Amino acid sequence: GNSVTQMEGPVTLSEEAFLTINCTYTATGYPSLFWYVQYPGEGLQLLLKATKADDKGSNKGFEATYRKETTSFHLEKGSVQVSDSAVYFCALTLGGNYQLIWGAGTKLIIKP
Amino acid sequence: GAGVSQSPRYKVAKRGQDVALRCDPISGHVSLFWYQQALGQGPEFLTYFQNEAQLDKSGLPSDRFFAERPEGSVSTLKIQRTQQEDSAVYLCASSHGQTAGLVSNEQFFGPGTRLTVL
Repeated sequence: GNSVTQMEGPVTLSEEAFLTINCTYTATGYPSLFWYVQYPGEGLQLLLKATKADDKGSNKGFEATYRKETTSFHLEKGSVQVSDSAVYFCALTLGGNYQLIWGAGTKLIIKP
Repeated sequence: GAGVSQSPRYKVAKRGQDVALRCDPISGHVSLFWYQQALGQGPEFLTYFQNEAQLDKSGLPSDRFFAERPEGSVSTLKIQRTQQEDSAVYLCASSHGQTAGLVSNEQFFGPGTRLTVL
């Protein structure tokens, strides 16, 4: 079946550290890939997306590249800030079926 | 403009009670989704509407769960005879959803309704 696997949290980093949150997927067909973020007390927000292989999504200093050969969509940021503390979800949709299939989420804690 | 809103934000029910959760999508959005999010987990798809038509209800966990969107705008998720395992956050999302085959139609989420069944 179709699924998303992301690294378990919490991930704890110091401010200005480099961030990687791993995400791999299993899908029939050609999915679109997403990262959503949930800040404390807020709803889910789309962070970035990629719709085909080798596309790079980017937003707010975060980047992720759609790697078909490794079925991965790892989230990266060069220098994290305390305000990046949140739960990050990797997700996919398949063509013609818009339901999102989600990973379990990774809690990120950034210490000053 | 307003985003997706949900009410109530919190609901406590006794086991066996019926509950109704409301979702107001972004005005003009054709597609509406309901998800269930258990504590510490990612959301799980429940059901999907395109306008007033419920096109996919494959994720509804039992026949105690029922969703409607009679006028193609506001949607209600109803859970009958609630059980403790129904305790979760129920998320509603809407998207433009007007172009067939557009695979990356962004979904906008509401804040969710946290249901606790005692």
